[in-house]
Amino acid sequence: NAGVIQTPRHKVTGKGQEATLWCEPISGHSAVFWYRQTIVQGLEFLTYFRNQAPIDDSGMPKERFSAQMPNQSHSTLKIQSTQPQDSAVYLCASSSDRTSNERLFFGHGTKLSVL
Amino acid sequence: GDQVEQSPSALSLHEGTGSALRCNFTTTMRAVQWFRKNSRGSLINLFYLASGTKENGRLKSAFDSKERYSTLHIRDAQLEDSGTYFCAAEAWTGGYKVVFGSGTRLLVSP
Repeated sequence: NAGVIQTPRHKVTGKGQEATLWCEPISGHSAVFWYRQTIVQGLEFLTYFRNQAPIDDSGMPKERFSAQMPNQSHSTLKIQSTQPQDSAVYLCASSSDRTSNERLFFGHGTKLSVL
Repeated sequence: GDQVEQSPSALSLHEGTGSALRCNFTTTMRAVQWFRKNSRGSLINLFYLASGTKENGRLKSAFDSKERYSTLHIRDAQLEDSGTYFCAAEAWTGGYKVVFGSGTRLLVSP
């Protein structure tokens, strides 16, 4: 089992460019979560999917951020018109079913640097 | 808003000694998870508790939802235990909610 796979590990973009982050959950896991870690805010919840359906995106910035899960094998987090304050480590996690006391398994994260 | 107060923020231990980390919650949480971020940046799952205690090797965790706290005990600390430890508390009322502690930077020295 390869665990949760996130690509790329590092991404550098210029201000105003688009960034797409990829996550491949553990096979068979039905819940996928996105988090962001910054020095200032610490770890923040962004959004999560269950069985590919968006369940709660209350942590997502209202503008420029979007997340999709087109199939059970991957999810994407897209940031349009990136800004320096978007620089962070973006973490993806999966779980077999969050409502059944199953714990999260995290990927290594994608470090986004917006210059 | 809901917050998690994690302490201490930094901890230094000599090999073979032990200590405890603690997270206090401002509201009732349904479950708590502890994990460690190692030097490579990976997040390693340690424990997930909805109640009671769990033990794994030199680590032991407890969670009391009613008293609004969780602890992580480390005994016989080893060099490889160094890293930043986070607690994350969950609530399912009104939608999924997770609140992370600010982390404890642990350094184990010879």
